[in-house]
Amino acid sequence: DVKVTQSSRYLVKRTGEKVFLECVQDMDHENMFWYRQDPGLGLRLIYFSYDVKMKEKGDIPEGYSVSREKKERFSLILESASTNQTSMYLCASSPFSGRATRETQYFGPGTRLLVL
Amino acid sequence: EDQVTQSPEALRLQEGESSSLNCSYTVSGLRGLFWYRQDPGKGPEFLFTLYSAGEEKEKERLKATLTKKESFLHITAPKPEDSATYLCAVQGRYTGGFKTIFGAGTRLFVKA
Repeated sequence: DVKVTQSSRYLVKRTGEKVFLECVQDMDHENMFWYRQDPGLGLRLIYFSYDVKMKEKGDIPEGYSVSREKKERFSLILESASTNQTSMYLCASSPFSGRATRETQYFGPGTRLLVL
Repeated sequence: EDQVTQSPEALRLQEGESSSLNCSYTVSGLRGLFWYRQDPGKGPEFLFTLYSAGEEKEKERLKATLTKKESFLHITAPKPEDSATYLCAVQGRYTGGFKTIFGAGTRLFVKA
């Protein structure tokens, strides 16, 4: 079974703090993703990565950065947390897409972040 | 503009009352349509991938179908444990890569 783990289920931080969210996958997947999920808005892609040290902006990258130093680990960083970053953060991974395959994304359990 | 719209937003059923959830989409070059189940406070759990119009997949009480414009998730004789939010996502083909877009989900409540 694919397993994606996230470092924390719940986090409470203060405005202005630097926040690190960690994600680890154990299936040797090339692709990893960070989403945030808010009621009525669905999942919105923040950043994704196709390979170690590679990153691409998603739809809402402002206020976030990412790091992928190892294939199995993808970190999301909030440089200076703000109250509008209170949300559920979901990490996902998927295998490399060949010409005949479509990637299914497998999700972690999520981190619910509250910024006060 | 590519988009995914799920309806209804919420659905309340009695146990055993069959129904369908809808996922309408517009996307450039569909590569795949995905259905997920999400329980409160948890990450989405993969259910199905559909690749082309006419394709169907089944798992227990769930059956997913796909046309060129929409997908249906049919729930036959649901049980209270089927209560969850069901998410639809489509993956489109773009120059240089792909993009996956998620719908907002349908919250299903099944009452015993």
